[in-house]
Amino acid sequence: DAGITQSPRHKVTETGTPVTLRCHQTENHRYMYWYRQDPGHGLRLIHYSYGVKDTDKGEVSDGYSVSRSKTEDFLLTLESATSSQTSVYFCAISDKGAIGELFFGEGSRLTVL
Amino acid sequence: SQQGEEDPQALSIQEGENATMNCSYKTSINNLQWYRQNSGRGLVHLILIRSNEREKHSGRLRVTLDTSKKSSSLLITASRAADTASYFCATVSGSARQLTFGSGTQLTVLP
Repeated sequence: DAGITQSPRHKVTETGTPVTLRCHQTENHRYMYWYRQDPGHGLRLIHYSYGVKDTDKGEVSDGYSVSRSKTEDFLLTLESATSSQTSVYFCAISDKGAIGELFFGEGSRLTVL
Repeated sequence: SQQGEEDPQALSIQEGENATMNCSYKTSINNLQWYRQNSGRGLVHLILIRSNEREKHSGRLRVTLDTSKKSSSLLITASRAADTASYFCATVSGSARQLTFGSGTQLTVLP
């Protein structure tokens, strides 16, 4: 299994609070992705990174920010959580980007009350 | 917006039968990938087929790609209860750095 760890795995928070999810990899892969998974929507890309300090928006980036200060860590921040951000968040990594396979973490389940 | 759409949304078969899932997409692609997701787990890559390939095999998996119809199919032969999972197709187009996933097919294999 690819060395990819998400934390926390489960979090319950209240509307308006900040939340940070962490993705940590030990594979030295260049590309890292944050997806959210909701019933009926499959996986939707939030943000991705193609190198340290290099990030770009995905399909559903509003309300989210990311940072990647070192190769192994990719942080997803919800500045002020809303109930619509209740979801399961998946981090994925790849050494070839979208032209190759992605390796996924086990997911972080976030509930915003 | 979703590029790939799987069909059917749900499929239930008996162990030993074959399972076929289809994926349709809207724009031209560089490659198409299939992933499996067991309940409560992350996605696992199954197979990648490039736009210039028509068929690819991996163990009990067979993937076909018809770029003229913008569609792909995933065939799982001699299914097992352990194949019960959701299956997603994903595509990348042009110079995009991102993989776009469909909403998945939920496969249930009954023992």
